[in-house]
Amino acid sequence: RKEVEQDPGPFNVPEGATVAFNCTYSNSASQSFFWYRQDCRKEPKLLMSVYSSGNEDGRFTAQLNRASQYISLLIRDSKLSDSATYLCVVSSTTNDMRFGAGTRLTVKP
Amino acid sequence: SAVISQKPSRDICQRGTSLTIQCQVDSQVTMMFWYRQQPGQSLTLIATANQGSEATYESGFVIDKFPISRPNLTFSTLTVSNMSPEDSSIYLCSVASNSYGYTFGSGTRLTVV
Repeated sequence: RKEVEQDPGPFNVPEGATVAFNCTYSNSASQSFFWYRQDCRKEPKLLMSVYSSGNEDGRFTAQLNRASQYISLLIRDSKLSDSATYLCVVSSTTNDMRFGAGTRLTVKP
Repeated sequence: SAVISQKPSRDICQRGTSLTIQCQVDSQVTMMFWYRQQPGQSLTLIATANQGSEATYESGFVIDKFPISRPNLTFSTLTVSNMSPEDSSIYLCSVASNSYGYTFGSGTRLTVV
């Protein structure tokens, strides 16, 4: 079993749609959780951290369920510019970041 | 968050040769990390580079193949040695950014022919 598993995608959605990505992790000692965005031929960039209480940043909402070892990312009112690969990242220490394989999202007009 | 300058951005190399990738950070950082991202795959940690000590390599990666230098707290290099086509990949350096995950360099796209 992979340490971090994500929905394989790809997700192809129309503008304005709501889309959700899921991620599960195997290490119960994991402490920090993140969603990264990676555009084609670019480096990953932090989208948002994921907190136990859940957090929201504009159209993006992240949820963490420690008991189920599950993280989610919800994107509302999708924009064309949201098209990218979304990486789930989990770490137990600062130098132990584990990346999911990524979920590719394409938002179409 | 830190700003990282990574170069070269891309290169095409002959098999059997070596390529050295450089990363310069605009602030002092204790640890720098080197990742590989193969086509269609996620990031795999190659090694952690600490200033003043040997780098720590992950399983499947060895110093002879991927020697790393860390001469000071703002700079590191990764060398891909004796390259083969299987080494074709994107190589990224990164640093921890407090509690906000990692900041990455822009990546080096390596093609070995």
